[in-house]
Amino acid sequence: KAGVTQTPRYLIKTRGQQVTLSCSPISGHRSVSWYQQTPGQGLQFLFEYFSETQRNKGNFPGRFSGRQFSNSRSEMNVSTLELGDSALYLCASSQQGGGTEAFFGQGTRLTVV
Amino acid sequence: GESVGLHLPTLSVQEGDNSIINCAYSNSASDYFIWYKQESGKGPQFIIDIRSNMDKRQGQRVTVLLNKTVKHLSLQIAATQPGDSAVYFCAENIMNYGGSQGNLIFGKGTKLSVKP
Repeated sequence: KAGVTQTPRYLIKTRGQQVTLSCSPISGHRSVSWYQQTPGQGLQFLFEYFSETQRNKGNFPGRFSGRQFSNSRSEMNVSTLELGDSALYLCASSQQGGGTEAFFGQGTRLTVV
Repeated sequence: GESVGLHLPTLSVQEGDNSIINCAYSNSASDYFIWYKQESGKGPQFIIDIRSNMDKRQGQRVTVLLNKTVKHLSLQIAATQPGDSAVYFCAENIMNYGGSQGNLIFGKGTKLSVKP
C-alpha cells in the first residue's frame, strides 16, 4: 500500500510569489491535514480537510489556504510569500480523522528568498 | 493554554540499553496520544498510539505508558539500536472519533542518539 505522497519535495520561491503544494493520501483515507514544521515553532497545524470540506483550521493567516478533491488528494496554497514561510510542510492522512492513526508524508521543503 | 512539552531535549543511550522518552501534556481534555519518530530529511513516522481509556500499550520493542493523574506520557524503547536514532515527538489530540482530527498538538521533540 503506497504511503502519503507529497510533491514537490523541494521548492525555492521569491518573496511575494505564491506556491501550491500537493498531497496524495493513503488509498482509502479521507482526512488530510497540513502542518508547518520550523526549528523555532516545531510542528504547527494548518488545516484539515475531509470529504472536500475544511473541517478545522489552525492559527495561520489567510494567505494559507487549501482544498481537497473528490479523490481525497489535497493541495495547499500560500500566497504573497514571506521569508518566514520557509519551512517543511507536511501532510498527514487518516481514515476518518479524529482518533484514527495519522500518517505523514515526506514533506515539501519550501525556501523563500 | 494547551501545550505538550518534553522533559529532555536530548537523550544519549548505549546500543542495547532501554530508552525512555518522556512527555508532559497540560490539556486534561486530551484523550488520544501518538508518538512519532522523525529521521533527518523525512516526515514523522507513526510509532504507536494510546487512548485515554488505557494506561499502557505495547508494540514491537516499544511501550507507551499514560499517566492521566499527572498528565504524563512516556515511550519506552527496548534494546535500542542505532537505527532508533531520531527525533521523537509526542502529540496529543482531543479525540472525536470519525470527526475532525483537529489539532494534533506536538511537543518540541527529543533527540535520541544511540552510541554503538
